[in-house]
Amino acid sequence: KQEVTQIPAALSVPEGENLVLNCSFTDSAIYNLQWFRQDPGKGLTSLLLIQSSQREQTSGRLNASLDKSSGRSTLYIAASQPGDSATYLCAVPTGANSKLTFGKGITLSVRP
Amino acid sequence: DAGVIQSPRHEVTEMGQEVTLRCKPISGHNSLFWYRQTMMRGLELLIYFNNNVPIDDSGMPEDRFSAKMPNASFSTLKIQPSEPRDSAVYFCASSLQVGGAGGNQPQHFGDGTRLSIL
Repeated sequence: KQEVTQIPAALSVPEGENLVLNCSFTDSAIYNLQWFRQDPGKGLTSLLLIQSSQREQTSGRLNASLDKSSGRSTLYIAASQPGDSATYLCAVPTGANSKLTFGKGITLSVRP
Repeated sequence: DAGVIQSPRHEVTEMGQEVTLRCKPISGHNSLFWYRQTMMRGLELLIYFNNNVPIDDSGMPEDRFSAKMPNASFSTLKIQPSEPRDSAVYFCASSLQVGGAGGNQPQHFGDGTRLSIL
């Protein structure tokens, strides 16, 4: 059974800092990995999707990497801003279908 | 460009009542997902449909829960009878699955229905 872990559960950093959010998964036979952002009272917004054949994806100040063999992914946020404050979740498909297994997320607070 | 639309946004009802949650996926998407989010268990998939057909309902907690997708633009999640432990935020998401496997396209989420069972 696939398990996805995100540690720590919460993180507080000063504005401007570069930071890394970690995600680990137990079954390395994944097709892809997705990073989502969730704002309070809102649904999830897809940030990046990395296919299993890729090692990283970039979107603006965000860079996600994937190391299947070690069961890890990182989300790098450059020059963090207060607007980046949210909960960040990673998810992987379970088996050969679209069913996603989510981590419990990392709640990020960027202090002005 | 409309996203996934869920209704109602909030629902408060008494134990034992029937609850129906509604979802309109993004036009053109062929996969639809129902999730439940709680502090204790995080985000859990309840059921998902592909081309209006239920593919995996192993996450549906018990027979009190049922989901339908009568057409490509509408789905319902029903709880009957409801219990206090069903209180959670229920999300609907949709995506366009193009060949391949493993959820190869991002899922787009609605803003959820916050359900409180008293």
